Amino acid sequence: GENVEQHPSTLSVQEGDSAVIKCTYSDSASNYFPWYKQELGKGPQLIIDIRSNVGEKKDQRIAVTLNKTAKHFSLHITETQPEDSAVYFCAAPPNRLAFGKGNQVVVIP
Amino acid sequence: NAGVTQTPKFQVLKTGQSMTLQCAQDMNHNSMYWYRQDPGMGLRLIYYSASEGTTDKGEVPNGYNVSRLNKREFSLRLESAAPSQTSVYFCASSGIAGESNEQFFGPGTRLTVL
Repeated sequence: GENVEQHPSTLSVQEGDSAVIKCTYSDSASNYFPWYKQELGKGPQLIIDIRSNVGEKKDQRIAVTLNKTAKHFSLHITETQPEDSAVYFCAAPPNRLAFGKGNQVVVIP
Repeated sequence: NAGVTQTPKFQVLKTGQSMTLQCAQDMNHNSMYWYRQDPGMGLRLIYYSASEGTTDKGEVPNGYNVSRLNKREFSLRLESAAPSQTSVYFCASSGIAGESNEQFFGPGTRLTVL
């Protein structure tokens, strides 16, 4: 979506290393920031989300951090495993959750 | 619960043919969505339905029509298919109308228009 940009488009990491992907949004009114994971041949699935009143949220090996001043939020994956290889989409309202173009993450065994 | 189901899984059409993609959800969600996914383009919203009886255009509605048949079902129709509509189509649903809720996606329909 035109309101949301993701970088880098492709990220390769060694198994066990950390991966960080960043999402930049344009609308300062956005208040909900999800990350979706899409495995090959499947539909996207929500893995973590954060609301604007919180700066960071963790769930086991994944975390999301939000910088409202700079209008970006990031997905952090620690101790990466082969099953983390997927395309990750961020999204931000308004515009009915405009999705970014996706980050391809490749975990090299 | 099956979640969000889509039929068919695969379809090949000739230019000018018509078809309807079916979507159903069993989570009692109010909102339903149709997206298309093309390489390098991410997910683009075609149409959505905030609640039963309402539909609205998304980012790329041209060439498509939708019907919210009831709370469970939301269909997408291509009246005269074009090669530019070759894509993977995803249906999704969420609990409350609006942007701030988890969307549940179906497995997708892979459509090729020759």
